[in-house]
Amino acid sequence: EAQVTQNPRYLITVTGKKLTVTCSQNMNHEYMSWYRQDPGLGLRQIYYSMNVEVTDKGDVPEGYKVSRKEKRNFPLILESPSPNQTSLYFCASRPGLAGEQETQYFGPGTRLLVL
Amino acid sequence: AQSVTQPDIHITVSEGASLELRCNYSYGATPYLFWYVQSPGQGLQLLLKYFSGDTLVQGIKGFEAEFKRSQSSFNLRKPSVHWSDAAEYFCAVGPLRTAGNKLTFGGGTRVLVKP
Repeated sequence: EAQVTQNPRYLITVTGKKLTVTCSQNMNHEYMSWYRQDPGLGLRQIYYSMNVEVTDKGDVPEGYKVSRKEKRNFPLILESPSPNQTSLYFCASRPGLAGEQETQYFGPGTRLLVL
Repeated sequence: AQSVTQPDIHITVSEGASLELRCNYSYGATPYLFWYVQSPGQGLQLLLKYFSGDTLVQGIKGFEAEFKRSQSSFNLRKPSVHWSDAAEYFCAVGPLRTAGNKLTFGGGTRVLVKP
């Protein structure tokens, strides 16, 4: 089954304790991205990657890091989480950059609480 | 910069009644347009999309949307709502290979369905 998976689905942590949220897709998509969802703000892009070893900042990158060492995986790293990073996080992927390939497929989300 | 506005934060509709969700966008050219649905505790599911051609687009679950260039709108409609349609709906504008290639989301409209 074609899908985007994220782990963990739920996470409670404390300020300053490094954490990683994993994202994996089995569709051989080139493009992957991370969003955070906050009430009333919709989804905002954190980072994106257009291919292996190619990553760039989205609209709200502060406090986050990413890496893209393999095509299928795109982990989100919070080196020193803070309470304002409490949010619902979505990983997304899509085949490419042109036409119908613009359609993004979303993972199930990771709900993070930083105390 | 592209932006998406969903003017209605909440809508309550009776089961069997019609539903229309508004979406207005700001974009420099003809955009790619999407509607996603997020059921409680779930990820985002693509309802429908518009890339080009016929401005009335049919999607899954009986939804349709109409692209009106003159009004910069892409409203979502369903003739008869089912209780299972209670969810949050997001309109999104897609990129044309611009920097970041991200989707820009509206703030969402939460739909409540009365029996």
